[in-house]
Amino acid sequence: DVKVTQSSRYLVKRTGEKVFLECVQDMDHENMFWYRQDPGLGLRLIYFSYDVKMKEKGDIPEGYSVSREKKERFSLILESASTNQTSMYLCASGIPSVYEQYFGPGTRLTVT
Amino acid sequence: QKEVEQDPGPLSVPEGAIVSLNCTYSNSAFQYFMWYRQYSRKGPELLMYTYSSGNKEDGRFTAQVDKSSKYISLFIRDSQPSDSATYLCAMQTSGTYKYIFGTGTRLKVLA
Repeated sequence: DVKVTQSSRYLVKRTGEKVFLECVQDMDHENMFWYRQDPGLGLRLIYFSYDVKMKEKGDIPEGYSVSREKKERFSLILESASTNQTSMYLCASGIPSVYEQYFGPGTRLTVT
Repeated sequence: QKEVEQDPGPLSVPEGAIVSLNCTYSNSAFQYFMWYRQYSRKGPELLMYTYSSGNKEDGRFTAQVDKSSKYISLFIRDSQPSDSATYLCAMQTSGTYKYIFGTGTRLKVLA
């Protein structure tokens, strides 16, 4: 079974803090994704990585950066957390040319 | 106008009912159509996948794609309380990595 794990289920941070969200997959997938999920807006892609050290901006990259130093690990960084970044963050992985994405359980981040 | 529209619900049905969940879309280049199920406090998991037009059946679930109307549906027969979840449609054009998700429909099946 594919397993995508995320470092925290729940996280509370203060405005201005630097926040790291970690994602690890165990299936040697090339592609990894970070989404945020908000009521009424659905899942929106923040960043995508198709290989180690390779990344592409998604639809809403502002205020976020990513790091992929190893194939299995993809980190999302909030450089200076703001209250409008309070959301559910979902990581996913997949293989190029295969439609399925495998999602982690999500991290519910609250910025106060 | 959003590329993919999905009624957020909530949709409440009695156990055993047939459930119909739908999405409409505007981009005629979409070729891959997926339905994901998301239980509360969990990540989405793939339920059904269809390439281009047509029907696909898997147990109690049937996915339909009508490209001429830009409309996709997921039918659940003999619905069970364990089907209570949020159902997300997702679409993809050929040769790209990017999904476009609907906002999800929350379904509650009452015992």
